[in-house]
Amino acid sequence: SQQGEEDPQALSIQEGENATMNCSYKTSINNLQWYRQNSGRGLVHLILIRSNEREKHSGRLRVTLDTSKKSSSLLITASRAADTASYFCAVHKAAGNKLTFGGGTRVLVKP
Amino acid sequence: DTEVTQTPKHLVMGMTNKKSLKCEQHTGHRAMYWYKQKAKKPPELMFVYSYEKLSINESVPSRFSPECPNSSLLNLHLHALQPEDSALYLCASSQGTGEETQYFGPGTRLLVL
Repeated sequence: SQQGEEDPQALSIQEGENATMNCSYKTSINNLQWYRQNSGRGLVHLILIRSNEREKHSGRLRVTLDTSKKSSSLLITASRAADTASYFCAVHKAAGNKLTFGGGTRVLVKP
Repeated sequence: DTEVTQTPKHLVMGMTNKKSLKCEQHTGHRAMYWYKQKAKKPPELMFVYSYEKLSINESVPSRFSPECPNSSLLNLHLHALQPEDSALYLCASSQGTGEETQYFGPGTRLLVL
């Protein structure tokens, strides 16, 4: 079963608005990562947050991690049409060298 | 440079064909991965190679056969596939030390007729 579950499944916003998506998981993790995928293409790594970190920023992206609730959120501020994509969280569990991806959130930013 | 390349970009094959997907990276990464992704679904891990040895096989059917000829190359040999195997096949690489970021290729879109 998928470790990461995301909500919402889809999000439609106007350019300039903020977009927030959430990810929940079930077991202990080493880190949680967020990736972006433009339609039918490869995934691009956005940000990695370790289990001992609570918040991380990268440009217009802000990621939080709450290990007590086993959840993470990705905030995209001042969205642009180019941010239109699917966003996936992926958890790296405490054992094993693999990522398990959540179902993804499809974000549409309207100009 | 963290580029991962995949060939071909598109592949159409019949159920009796044999074909191969190729993945290449020149980043010095020591872990490489194959994922399968169906439309509007997340990537699903198929295989992991670590230091050129198969370390994880996620119970993938034997009609998919991975091969790692050297530290830069990863192949996926396909034989007797089914229409339900049609998907985007993604290759990725990472440093190989355990917890790090994965870098993905653009994928091969496979259609099995």
